[in-house]
Amino acid sequence: EAQVTQNPRYLITVTGKKLTVTCSQNMNHEYMSWYRQDPGLGLRQIYYSMNVEVTDKGDVPEGYKVSRKEKRNFPLILESPSPNQTSLYFCASAGLRATNEKLFFGSGTQLSVL
Amino acid sequence: GQNIDQPTEMTATEGAIVQINCTYQTSGFNGLFWYQQHAGEAPTFLSYNVLDGLEEKGRFSSFLSRSKGYSYLLLKELQMKDSASYLCAVRDGVTGGGNKLTFGTGTQLKVEL
Repeated sequence: EAQVTQNPRYLITVTGKKLTVTCSQNMNHEYMSWYRQDPGLGLRQIYYSMNVEVTDKGDVPEGYKVSRKEKRNFPLILESPSPNQTSLYFCASAGLRATNEKLFFGSGTQLSVL
Repeated sequence: GQNIDQPTEMTATEGAIVQINCTYQTSGFNGLFWYQQHAGEAPTFLSYNVLDGLEEKGRFSSFLSRSKGYSYLLLKELQMKDSASYLCAVRDGVTGGGNKLTFGTGTQLKVEL
């Protein structure tokens, strides 16, 4: 089954404790992206990657890091989480071969930073 | 940059038809998507428009007018399970590697009996 897998589904942590949210896709997609979703603000892009070893900032990259060492994986790293990073996070992937390629989303990670 | 506007909330009756509008301003339009998102779940793809006109897919249709920066999603024969948030998203062909999707804040649709 084609899917984007995110883990964990829920995460509660404390300020300053480094954490990683994993994302993996099995569709051989070139494009991967991280979004955060907050009430009244919609989905905002954090980082994206066009292919292995190619990453770039989205609209709200501060406080986040990503890496793309393998095509299927795109982890999101919070080196020193702060309460304002409490949010619902989604990983997504898409192919780049056709203009109508749609984004496939993971099931989301609800992060709470205390 | 991009700016996307859609109503915050709408209410409709089961069995009826509802139209959710989306207006956008973008520097490099390269397609418009509609997604459905149930509370706490991932967005799921509904439709894609890149040329002007109507795209029909079962109970759902989507319309695009590029000259007006306008799209709508039409839902027919509403069912209770259609209660969800509907997200309009515009792809920018210039920034973000030509594949960046910018999302509106979503329209929360409530279907009542």
